[in-house]
Order: sequence, then C-alpha cells, then structure tokens
Amino acid sequence: GDSVTQMEGPVTLSEEAFLTINCTYTATGYPSLFWYVQYPGEGLQLLLKATKADDKGSNKGFEATYRKETTSFHLEKGSVQVSDSAVYFCALRNPNYTGANSKLTFGKGITLSVRP
Amino acid sequence: EPEVTQTPSHQVTQMGQEVILRCVPISNHLYFYWYRQILGQKVEFLVSFYNNEISEKSEIFDDQFSVERPDGSNFTLKIRSTKLEDSAMYFCASSKGTGGTGELFFGEGSRLTVL
Repeated sequence: GDSVTQMEGPVTLSEEAFLTINCTYTATGYPSLFWYVQYPGEGLQLLLKATKADDKGSNKGFEATYRKETTSFHLEKGSVQVSDSAVYFCALRNPNYTGANSKLTFGKGITLSVRP
Repeated sequence: EPEVTQTPSHQVTQMGQEVILRCVPISNHLYFYWYRQILGQKVEFLVSFYNNEISEKSEIFDDQFSVERPDGSNFTLKIRSTKLEDSAMYFCASSKGTGGTGELFFGEGSRLTVL
C-alpha cells in the first residue's frame, strides 16, 4: 500500500539557518503530495502541495519539489524563524481512488524547534 | 475564515467506558474524515464519510468504533468500550470534494487518554 517516510526528528536550528526535512514516498500511480504543519495548540494546516512530477509547491518561504525519479518531496526553507517552530507532516493522496476513498497517507511527522 | 472545530480538546476516561468525540466540519463541505495519532507515531486514517454513509474505513476502525452525522452539522466518532491502546490524538477533517488534489481541513484534535 501507499506509505510516506520522513526523516527522524526532532530538529533544532538557530534562527536564519537553512532547513531541509526529508520525505520519501511509496505509491502506485501518480499521487499528489502535501506538507501539513501543526503549530503548538493548533490543528493540522496545509502548508504546500504538488500534484504532478516536477511541480514545486511553495508557501511562507517553504518549498518542496515533487521528484518522481527519487520518489521524494523534501521540504526546504532558506532562513527559518522562531515562528516556524512546529510539527511538519509529509502526506500523499492517491488520485487513483475516487469518492471519499482518496484519503491522506501521512508520515510520522517531525518536530522543528528554532532557537532565537 | 471557516474552520473545523472539535470537542472536547482533552478527555480522560476509564477503560471500558464509551467516549464520543465531536466535530463540526466546515459548513459547505461534503466529505468527512477521522484520523488519529498515537503519541510518537504516524497520523493514521480511520474512516471517511460521505452522503451519510461510510465510504472507507481502515483496519483500526473495528466494531468498537462508529461515526454519525446526527443533525447535518455535527460529525461524531464513538468508541463503545475504550481500551488503553485507544489513547491518542483524534483529528477530524473535512473537504469540499475528493480526487487527489483537494485540501483536507483539519480540526485542532481531541486528545483521548484511557486509564
């Protein structure tokens, strides 16, 4: 079945450092890929998405490129801020399924802490 | 901005007790979901719901679990007889449509602790 693997955490960085969070996936067909973020005390929010190979999703300075050849969707940000401290989840949704069967498959999530 | 709301934010219960977790999805959404995350583990799909019936459920969603949309606004998850291993954060989500590209909107989660 479909699966998502994220790098082990937690990750602690200093403000303005470069961030990479690795995500790889296994899926049949051509899934859509997502990064969700959960800030402390809040729900899961969509951060960015990409729906086909070589698409780049971007939002709030974060970027991720859909790499079909390496089945990856790594999240990057050039200069993190304290306000980026959160839990980040990589996820996929397989459009091969119709109806409400197109559920999200999540990775384990990784906690990012950014020090001032 | 419309949001998915969940209650309670935290519930502590004794093993064997029934628990109902409540969710109010975004009003014009048609598809509803429950996910859960056991501490330190992946966010796992439990069930999806559309047109007043279950569309898909995972292996986790056994006979102890049920979902209901009793009044057109609430979407509930019931656990009939809780077990220790049901302790987790439960997330409700809703979406306008299906397909592989649509966004799911999540609530803040309900933390269930079973003693």
